[in-house]
Amino acid sequence: GQNIDQPTEMTATEGAIVQINCTYQTSGFNGLFWYQQHAGEAPTFLSYNVLDGLEEKGRFSSFLSRSKGYSYLLLKELQMKDSASYLCAVIMGNYQLIWGAGTKLIIKP
Amino acid sequence: ETGVTQTPRHLVMGMTNKKSLKCEQHLGHNAMYWYKQSAKKPLELMFVYNFKEQTENNSVPSRFSPECPNSSHLFLHLHTLQPEDSALYLCASSQDATSGYNEQFFGPGTRLTVL
Repeated sequence: GQNIDQPTEMTATEGAIVQINCTYQTSGFNGLFWYQQHAGEAPTFLSYNVLDGLEEKGRFSSFLSRSKGYSYLLLKELQMKDSASYLCAVIMGNYQLIWGAGTKLIIKP
Repeated sequence: ETGVTQTPRHLVMGMTNKKSLKCEQHLGHNAMYWYKQSAKKPLELMFVYNFKEQTENNSVPSRFSPECPNSSHLFLHLHTLQPEDSALYLCASSQDATSGYNEQFFGPGTRLTVL
């Protein structure tokens, strides 16, 4: 079957760095997305990785290792507004996205 | 209005009621999706429409009935729901449902409570 694992919840301090991991076992792979979802709001796109390596976008970076079935989202200089759930999703075939349950990130002052 | 909109934002219904959720996208996309999001569970894909044709029905009970009259609008008709159907229902759209890269844009969701 298809499986995506993420930690359920993480806590970090304002101004610090946090890494949210995602591991996947899927029968196909055409890329991996990270989305951010604030409570009661729509998920919004953060990053897309299809090749191995690190993609940097401002304070957020995303890493992919296809051979290990592993990705992480790195958030630097954490701000209170970064408190949200972070969803990892794998593109299986043409369009099917398989989603992780999300990681709730709590930022403390 | 821009992006993906959904109405209503909140809905409370009894098990014998009939109601409909509406989704509209203003992005010129050709694919639209219904997802169910329950607490601490992964997003569950329910239905996919690509160029107004239904291409996916992930074993969804018949008490959920989708309708896609055009590329910009998507409905989810609800009848004789069960309490376990209470969840956040998210609509999303993407350029199409045939390309490998498929960034999906989400609406804010409808929080459904079935009594």
